Amino acid sequence: QVQLQQSGPGLVKPAQTLSLTCAISGDSVSSNSATWNWIRQSPSRGLEWLGRTYYRSKWYNDYAVFVKSRIRINPDTSTNQLSLQLSSVTPEDTAVYYCARDFRGSGGSGPPNFDSWGQGTLVTVSS
Amino acid sequence: QTVVTQEPSLTVSPGGTVTLTCASSTGAVTSGYYPNWFQQKPGQAPRALIYSTSTKHSWTPARFSGSLLGGKAALTLSGVQPEDEAEYYCLLGYSSAQWVFGGGTKLTVL
Repeated sequence: QVQLQQSGPGLVKPAQTLSLTCAISGDSVSSNSATWNWIRQSPSRGLEWLGRTYYRSKWYNDYAVFVKSRIRINPDTSTNQLSLQLSSVTPEDTAVYYCARDFRGSGGSGPPNFDSWGQGTLVTVSS
Repeated sequence: QTVVTQEPSLTVSPGGTVTLTCASSTGAVTSGYYPNWFQQKPGQAPRALIYSTSTKHSWTPARFSGSLLGGKAALTLSGVQPEDEAEYYCLLGYSSAQWVFGGGTKLTVL
């Protein structure tokens, strides 16, 4: 059973960098059968997919167009975690942030399936 | 900018049937968008219900089903229970490796 445990500060100042970590248990960040995603939710913008990282013989990243210039998602194989960094934040980035697994089946070729989610972290951008 | 549209709110009586839909601003939703459906209750993370249009998770109650209907993805609840009152979200995948959520449907069981 996969569990995703998020951690990170709940308050970030404007123009600074938001940093969150997602610790994975029950699966590997290097799995060929999953992608690892960050998603956020706010009352004004709803649920938004931010981006993902995944390993298929090498590491890949995809980012949502609207944050592409400010976002980095990195895997840490030594600790089996993934991280999110969002730079130059504004109050519009205030949201609950989730990490989530997209599982592609044991063979890695199944359909996208966002089956496991972290508990969510409320991040407020304010001075 | 791609927009995914859901009904903002629906009301259903206990034991009744209701269908929620998910439309894409780019045109008809097909199986190639790999629709996912989620249920979210207040204060909780979204919980996966359906993936790849109609495939249920092991924990998904049998009364939930997914389909394509009139160019949209659809989630049907048959024999609605009071505990089904929640917000429901669809998620569509686009070929540019972008995922877009719908705005959500608030389902009231009354």
